[in-house]
Order: sequence, then structure tokens, then C-alpha cells
Amino acid sequence: AQKVTQAQTEISVVEKEDVTLDCVYETRDTTYYLFWYKQPPSGELVFLIRRNSFDEQNEISGRYSWNFQKSTSSFNFTITASQVVDSAVYFCALSDMDTGRRALTFGSGTRLQVQP
Amino acid sequence: AAGVIQSPRHLIKEKRETATLKCYPIPRHDTVYWYQQGPGQDPQFLISFYEKMQSDKGSIPDRFSAQQFSDYHSELNMSSLELGDSALYFCASSGNGLAGTYEQYFGPGTRLTVT
Repeated sequence: AQKVTQAQTEISVVEKEDVTLDCVYETRDTTYYLFWYKQPPSGELVFLIRRNSFDEQNEISGRYSWNFQKSTSSFNFTITASQVVDSAVYFCALSDMDTGRRALTFGSGTRLQVQP
Repeated sequence: AAGVIQSPRHLIKEKRETATLKCYPIPRHDTVYWYQQGPGQDPQFLISFYEKMQSDKGSIPDRFSAQQFSDYHSELNMSSLELGDSALYFCASSGNGLAGTYEQYFGPGTRLTVT
């Protein structure tokens, strides 16, 4: 069975601080996808990134960066120089590809509050 | 760019009533997913359709049913509503990975309140 764990329930930082959101996953599949979604107070789910299980390259997009380590089953997300607009709930999710079942299994989310 | 459209955005129903939620996927996306997000919880997968056929089933109650139509829009039908059905219902769509991508793009959600 798949499982995604986001141990940090809530994080509060002051603007311009760097913050890392942790994500640990469990799966028996050899091929899978990992995702991060942002859910701002308005409620929509915004896609941020997808990572394939066979591609362990880290990725940077502006102030966002992702660190994928298969050896520790982790897919952590770092926001550099955080801004108030980054305040949201962030979900890590996993999708199984071995069986073709593409439904997302979400973690419980981390609520990030960025104080001005 | 066109996004996933869901209607209605808000819905208030009484216990034991029925509700129908609609979803219009991104053009050329062939897979639709439905998720339920209770207050303070993560989204839970309900059901998905690929090319108008049910492709996967999650924790969808027997009181709920769904289908995908020839124009690829999907409807989630909910009957005998219970207070516990109050939640945010998301529809997402994706390509098939051959000509498209695996990313699921979510609609704005329908907030269902059962009183």
C-alpha cells in the first residue's frame, strides 16, 4: 500500500526566511510519480511539480527547489526567501505507475504561515 | 490556458437529498478524477474515468455514482446525503501520458454543505 507522510503539521516563519517542507513516502512500486501541490486559503489545488521515480535530479524553479532522494524515500520542498503569498497548505502526493493506477495518494499536508 | 471547470461552486443540501456535481476537463485531457476533501483533511480519491470508462475506484460510498459523457465532461451523483458528506469536492483531469502528461490539474472545487 502507498503512504505519504508529512510530519510537519504547521510551520511558521518570518518573511525572507528559508523553509523546508518534508515528505516521506512508502510504495512497493518501482515506477511512481511524486508531486507537490499548493492549497492557498482560497481552496484551489495548484500543481507545483512532478518527479519520476527514475529521475533523481534535483530541481529549482525560482524560489522553489525540490530534493528527491530515493535512498531515504524523501521528496523535500524548500522555499527560499519566503513571502507572505507563500502562506498555504502544501501537499505531497504519490501516484503508482506499475499498475497504471494514477490516483493520487496525498500526505496530510503542511500548513505554512509566513509572517510579514 | 483553459482550466478544469466545476459547477456549481457552492451547494447547500439537506440530509437525504440528492446532489449532482459537474466537471469539465481541460480540452484534450482524457482522464477525469474525483476527490473529496473533508475539513482540515487531505483529498481522498473517489473514482476516475479514462475515455468514458471507469478506470479506478477509491473510497467512494455506494450512495455515490459517477460517469463520463461523450464530450468528456463528468458528473458525480450523490444520493441520500449525510452530514458527513459535507466537504470540498475536486475534479481533476490529466492527459494519458502518451500524448499528454501525467500531471493532474484540479478544478476550483465544489463546496457541498449538508444541513
